[in-house]
Amino acid sequence: AQRVTQPEKLLSVFKGAPVELKCNYSYSGSPELFWYVQYSRQRLQLLLRHISRESIKGFTADLNKGETSFHLKKPFAQEEDSAMYYCALRGATNKLIFGTGTLLAVQP
Amino acid sequence: ETGVTQTPRHLVMGMTNKKSLKCEQHLGHNAMYWYKQSAKKPLELMFVYSLEERVENNSVPSRFSPECPNSSHLFLHLHTLQPEDSALYLCASSQDPGTPFSGNTIYFGEGSWLTVV
Repeated sequence: AQRVTQPEKLLSVFKGAPVELKCNYSYSGSPELFWYVQYSRQRLQLLLRHISRESIKGFTADLNKGETSFHLKKPFAQEEDSAMYYCALRGATNKLIFGTGTLLAVQP
Repeated sequence: ETGVTQTPRHLVMGMTNKKSLKCEQHLGHNAMYWYKQSAKKPLELMFVYSLEERVENNSVPSRFSPECPNSSHLFLHLHTLQPEDSALYLCASSQDPGTPFSGNTIYFGEGSWLTVV
C-alpha cells in the first residue's frame, strides 16, 4: 500500500537555524516524490519534486530509497519559510497521496 | 483570473440542504481533481476527471456527487451531508493524470471551507 508519513506535526526553529522536515514513504515500486507548501492564507503549491533535483527557495530534498525517505532540508531558515509543508507520493496508479503535513514555525 | 479558482470560499449548510461547490481552471489542463482536507487526517483524493470523464472515485459516499461539464469546470454537488463531512475541499488540475515521471504538476485552488450543521 502507498503511504506517506510525516512524523512531526510541528517543527519550531529559530531564524538562521537548519531545518529538516521528515518524510518517509511506503511503496513497493519506484515512487515519484513531491513537497508541497501552503503559506498562511495561500493555496497549496508545489515546492519541489525529486526528479528535478532542484533547489527551491533554498530547500532541497534527496530521495533515499534505502531508508524510504524524502526529507526536506534547508541550511538556514527564514521567517518567511513558516508554512505548512506536505510530502506527497505518486505511484503507478497516478494517485497523489499526501502525508498529514508539518507546520514549520520559524521564530525571529 | 489565472490558475484554479473555487467558489464559494466558505459554505455553511444544514444536513438536509443541497449545495454545490464550483471549481474553474484557466490553465488549459485536461484533468481535474477533488481533494478533502480534514483536521488530523491527510489530504484525501476523492475524484479524478480526465478529459471530462471520471477516471477515479476513491470510495466516496454517494452524498458527494461530482460533475465535470467541460475540461475547465468541475462541480461537487452536496446532499444530506453529515457533520463529519465538514472540511476544506480542494480542487486541483493538471495537464493530465499522465504516467509516472511525466512531470505534470498538480495545481490547487484555495479551497472551499465547508461546515455542516
